[in-house]
Amino acid sequence: GNSVTQMEGPVTLSEEAFLTINCTYTATGYPSLFWYVQYPGEGLQLLLKATKADDKGSNKGFEATYRKETTSFHLEKGSVQVSDSAVYFCAPPMGNTNAGKSTFGDGTTLTVKP
Amino acid sequence: SAVISQKPSRDICQRGTSLTIQCQVDSQVTMMFWYRQQPGQSLTLIATANQGSEATYESGFVIDKFPISRPNLTFSTLTVSNMSPEDSSIYLCSVEEVPTSAYNEQFFGPGTRLTVL
Repeated sequence: GNSVTQMEGPVTLSEEAFLTINCTYTATGYPSLFWYVQYPGEGLQLLLKATKADDKGSNKGFEATYRKETTSFHLEKGSVQVSDSAVYFCAPPMGNTNAGKSTFGDGTTLTVKP
Repeated sequence: SAVISQKPSRDICQRGTSLTIQCQVDSQVTMMFWYRQQPGQSLTLIATANQGSEATYESGFVIDKFPISRPNLTFSTLTVSNMSPEDSSIYLCSVEEVPTSAYNEQFFGPGTRLTVL
């Protein structure tokens, strides 16, 4: 089955700082990979996705490259804003996980200070 | 993309009572999923709800505690029964992008924030 491991611990940055949130995956083959974001008081929404190895997903200034050589899908943004403060989850697709279980990453809480 | 609504958005309940959470999707979907997100933690899948069959529960979750209904392709309910303070959590409904897609993106409802006193 497929699973992801996400960096632990909250991240606090100043506005305009560079952001990296690490995510590595264990997979059979090369399934799609996703980053979801959860803004305060809201449900999860898709931030970006990559559907195959070496693919790059991007949205709202965030990027993540599906690197098969390092089995990674790290989330990056060159200049964060206060409005980026949220919880970020790395995830494999629903249908390709162990016994149908969606193994989300643990979530990384990002706080951006002005 | 699918648009999902949940009711109630939040509730405060007494120990020993039950709460039913509703999930409505604006399109027909085969599978609907119920998650729990405890404070400061990631999502944990409770069960998968398929229309016309019994829900499939994940390890650690049982039907007596979390009965699920799926009467049609756009609606599901999750009941949290005989609640205790440990059930205080956000409960999220989600659906998967059309099964024929290779991407399997999930769409989530806004969540129901439950507090049990």
